[in-house]
Amino acid sequence: QVQLVESGGGVVQPGRSLTLSCAASGFTFRSFGMHWVRQAPGKGLEWVAMIWPDGSNKNYGDSVKGRFTISRDNSKNMLYLQLNSLRVEDTAVYYCAREGYEGWFDTWGQGTPVTVSS
Amino acid sequence: EIVLTQSPATLSLSPGERATLSCRASESVSNLLAWYQQKPGQAPRLLINDASKRDTGVPARFRGSGSGTDFTLTISSLEPEDFAVYYCQHRSNWPLTFGGGTKVEIK
Repeated sequence: QVQLVESGGGVVQPGRSLTLSCAASGFTFRSFGMHWVRQAPGKGLEWVAMIWPDGSNKNYGDSVKGRFTISRDNSKNMLYLQLNSLRVEDTAVYYCAREGYEGWFDTWGQGTPVTVSS
Repeated sequence: EIVLTQSPATLSLSPGERATLSCRASESVSNLLAWYQQKPGQAPRLLINDASKRDTGVPARFRGSGSGTDFTLTISSLEPEDFAVYYCQHRSNWPLTFGGGTKVEIK
């Protein structure tokens, strides 16, 4: 079945870096745009970044632009998010999500938590 | 950035009642709006796309309507499993944004 599994979250100090991974299975990964969406504790959803199916284009939310980098390896069915210069306000559960044929987030992972704290 | 404003923040209803959730966009998004349901400890689930199309497997009691700047999600008769938080989201332009959510709680 279609599945996304995130990993790589943890506790990190402000200013440090972290890389999140998302393993995709059950579908042709290279055919779909992929996104990262985050949710701070007790808060709503915030779109973070998007990458085209072939990796040729990327878009970022204003709050992470210049600090986070989305990438993918279609040969491994993997999506990544490199988080640099982390801030306390980056604390959240990070979800990877597939952009379905109609352009919406039709499949989500279970999320990986990131805590930025000194 | 398009701001999506959801109201009310919380809706207290009993099973069997009708729920009406609103999402207002700061500028027109045409019909490029979706609704998601999120239960505690779970990832969101796509319910409605393109303002009014139910995703695969979504019960008929969920209905989306609207276009431009004003959208509504209606749950015709609440089932116990419908008590959750609902988010709207647009994809009219970058950045994609979500509304702040409406919590539908048991009265």
